[in-house]
Amino acid sequence: EAGVTQFPSHSVIEKGQTVTLRCDPISGHDNLYWYRRVMGKEIKFLLHFVKESKQDESGMPNNRFLAERTGGTYSTLKVQPAELEDSGVYFCASTLFGGSNIQYFGAGTRLSVL
Amino acid sequence: GENVEQHPSTLSVQEGDSAVIKCTYSDSASNYFPWYKQELGKGPQLIIDIRSNVGEKKDQRIAVTLNKTAKHFSLHITETQPEDSAVYFCAASPFSGGYNKLIFGAGTRLAVHP
Repeated sequence: EAGVTQFPSHSVIEKGQTVTLRCDPISGHDNLYWYRRVMGKEIKFLLHFVKESKQDESGMPNNRFLAERTGGTYSTLKVQPAELEDSGVYFCASTLFGGSNIQYFGAGTRLSVL
Repeated sequence: GENVEQHPSTLSVQEGDSAVIKCTYSDSASNYFPWYKQELGKGPQLIIDIRSNVGEKKDQRIAVTLNKTAKHFSLHITETQPEDSAVYFCAASPFSGGYNKLIFGAGTRLAVHP
């Protein structure tokens, strides 16, 4: 069974540009989470989907970040326009709704904003 | 909201020694405490977890202890091996009804020297 996959693994963009990150959760997992780790600090929660609905987006930094999960399968996280402080590693995780609460993480996307 | 403190930030041990990583949390509603291991180029992987109705849990060389009164929990690795070298994250969550936003500590970089 495939795990959580994230694309791209690394993205380098200039300040002001747009970047879209993609996450494919484990098949059948209704819960999908986005997290971010900045500059060696803690991994911080960004938002949570249950199927296609945003359950909790309290961790989203500002309105330059837009997450979608059309159809309740894969999710995208768009940053527009990107700022220097958006650099970091973006992780996606998924779990079964109502099942074990183990979160399975992808390998992450390292975003570098220059 | 919940806040998780993790210590130490770096830990260096000789192969065969024990390693202990400690975390404290602030929200008494937290009831689920997972530990993740992140190896270079990979995403965080769950290695052990504990719920608030249990004081200790062990899995081979890894054990976790939880003190609900003091709001702290610890990871213990015995007979360390070079392959234990990685970044370890503790997390806390008020798991409820299939939803569990994880609040992470800042991570501990463990180096095991042969």
